[in-house]
Amino acid sequence: DIQMTQSPSSLSASVGHRVTITCQASQDISIYLNWYQQKPGKAPKLLIYDASDLEPGVPSRFSGRGSGTDFTFTISSLQPEDIATYYCQQYDNLPRTFGQGTKVEIK
Amino acid sequence: QVQLQESGPGLVKPSQTLSLTCTVSGDSISSGSYYWTWIRQPAGKGLEWIGRIFSIGSTNYNPSLKSRVTMSVDTSESQFSLNLSSVTATDTAVYFCARERWDLLNGGSAFDIWGQGTPVTVSP
Repeated sequence: DIQMTQSPSSLSASVGHRVTITCQASQDISIYLNWYQQKPGKAPKLLIYDASDLEPGVPSRFSGRGSGTDFTFTISSLQPEDIATYYCQQYDNLPRTFGQGTKVEIK
Repeated sequence: QVQLQESGPGLVKPSQTLSLTCTVSGDSISSGSYYWTWIRQPAGKGLEWIGRIFSIGSTNYNPSLKSRVTMSVDTSESQFSLNLSSVTATDTAVYFCARERWDLLNGGSAFDIWGQGTPVTVSP
């Protein structure tokens, strides 16, 4: 299985500040990576696909980049409604695997 | 728009079989390039992919669960199902069904639509 390692596991930032999460794959996955947002008690929501493409309807403050084994996810200006856990997920291979999640809180 | 809804018992006894169904509404389960997927999440933990089924019935399962998992699809009812046998307390989780879209041209794939999730507890 391809292991996905996210860091940090949690972070706290002020409203309006930039937030960056990293995701590292255990092997080269090209751009075959997605990012999801999960709010408490809800299903995950797709934000970014193919490492850097914004899902329609998702605010432009969310972005992603990277290829190979190293990826980043950024919220350019953190908003109160962005409080959630964020997951990366690879689709280069089966089984599909997710990072362990990064919990984002407001300072 | 397309919606997914899980249904099934919320409590299963150890050693028995967990059975869940996902009903797809808003579009045909046979349309487009989609896999129909099960994913679970133990309380306070991360997401685990269980497996997927295509509308013609072909399946892929997570090797960690393969010996206990069976998935099926009923296109006439626009439903797909999960059976997980010989359950233990470690199978206690919220179970999500999701649609995995895939792009034949560029190989892209993503879980773009999810059900709300259904909690399942394994307990005597």
